[in-house]
Amino acid sequence: NAGVTQTPKFQVLKTGQSMTLQCAQDMNHNSMYWYRQDPGMGLRLIYYSASEGTTDKGEVPNGYNVSRLNKREFSLRLESAAPSQTSVYFCASGEGYDPHPTLFFGPGTRLTVL
Amino acid sequence: KNQVEQSPQSLIILEGKNCTLQCNYTVSPFSNLRWYKQDTGRGPVSLTIMTFSENTKSNGRYTATLDADTKQSSLHITASQLSDSASYICVVRSGNTPLVFGKGTRLSVIA
Repeated sequence: NAGVTQTPKFQVLKTGQSMTLQCAQDMNHNSMYWYRQDPGMGLRLIYYSASEGTTDKGEVPNGYNVSRLNKREFSLRLESAAPSQTSVYFCASGEGYDPHPTLFFGPGTRLTVL
Repeated sequence: KNQVEQSPQSLIILEGKNCTLQCNYTVSPFSNLRWYKQDTGRGPVSLTIMTFSENTKSNGRYTATLDADTKQSSLHITASQLSDSASYICVVRSGNTPLVFGKGTRLSVIA
């Protein structure tokens, strides 16, 4: 059981470049999430997918798009990266039908936009 | 506005000592509160969950308390170990709205 895996672990982009962060989980969870973590701030929800085929905006969705490729995979795309998107990105999964779901987080992707 | 405030921001203790981390929240309505541990360079891992009816819950050397009336929670770590060095994050759930994360307390345990 790998849990939640993310690729890449590190990435440096120039302003305006695009990239896709990949996430996969092997726990058969229905719900998947993308968060960003910035120094001095709590984790903030970018997008989430309550189940395969659905996606919804979180607190900070601007500048991002997501795709729930199948039950296992949930990707995050930056179409035109900006320095304000420099952050650590965490993917998480959980059982959405559980009234008190535990979130399982991946190891994170550290993104720097120059 | 739903908020979660944690204190202290950072803490340094000697190995073997106890410590208590605090979490105050203004989230309403309250569903549950979790404490996560985040090691440097890793994702957060759930330590314990507190629901409205629970006052105290233990997970090994970690004991969480919840006072739903005053909207406060604490995480007590007993006989600290070097491996306890991490950030501890308080997270509150309110219905189906996004989770509200605290900024965390950075704990350093030194020999």
